[in-house]
Amino acid sequence: QSALTQPPSASGSPGQSVTISCAGTSSDVGAYNYVSWYQQHPGKAPKLMIYEVTKRPSGVPDRFSGSKSGNTASLTVSGLQAEDEADYYCSSWVGTNSVIFGGGTKLTVL
Amino acid sequence: EVQLVESGGGLVQPGGSLRLSCAASGFTFSSYWMSWVRQSPGRGLERVASIRHDGISKYYLDSVEGRFTISRDNAKNSLYLQMNTLRAEDTAVYYCAKDSGWYRFDTWGQGTQVTVSS
Repeated sequence: QSALTQPPSASGSPGQSVTISCAGTSSDVGAYNYVSWYQQHPGKAPKLMIYEVTKRPSGVPDRFSGSKSGNTASLTVSGLQAEDEADYYCSSWVGTNSVIFGGGTKLTVL
Repeated sequence: EVQLVESGGGLVQPGGSLRLSCAASGFTFSSYWMSWVRQSPGRGLERVASIRHDGISKYYLDSVEGRFTISRDNAKNSLYLQMNTLRAEDTAVYYCAKDSGWYRFDTWGQGTQVTVSS
């Protein structure tokens, strides 16, 4: 199973919206609604931001939203804030014994 | 507070062994699947191994199958990863992660560095 494809970087100004894509195949992202997104600040562990494509864990701001179309999932961050600057990773369940991750996107708040 | 704390990382020579531990608190450990996930600059994030809540089912990344063994002690709220025949490509930060279903990792430890080098 190959890694999911994410753009290496994305950027936006405070208050703007930015969308990060996560491209998979019909065997992973396209097959299941079990896509998650993680935020990781430098030197810290990943933090779950979105699960099951669109759901937000308790405590995650509603500025973060997820969607999926075909084999591509997306994370949108609205009303960008300085603290949103981080690396973002997507993942997809691909069966009982497997999960794959994207290569990560570095989000810069200009 | 839900918390995971890893220990046991370090520098080891190729072919050597290490045992990682993860101490869990703040949740009913015996009710959840648990996983080890590693992260390295060259390979990104990889799910290394997962174990069912009762320890009966275990799954591994293909490249570690036969070399790594995941286990748990529900009485001690602890997760383990025995790593044998270590290779340079196993060098990474290893995280312990709580799985709330469908590989939804909702809690992560702080990570422990494993470096395989002569």
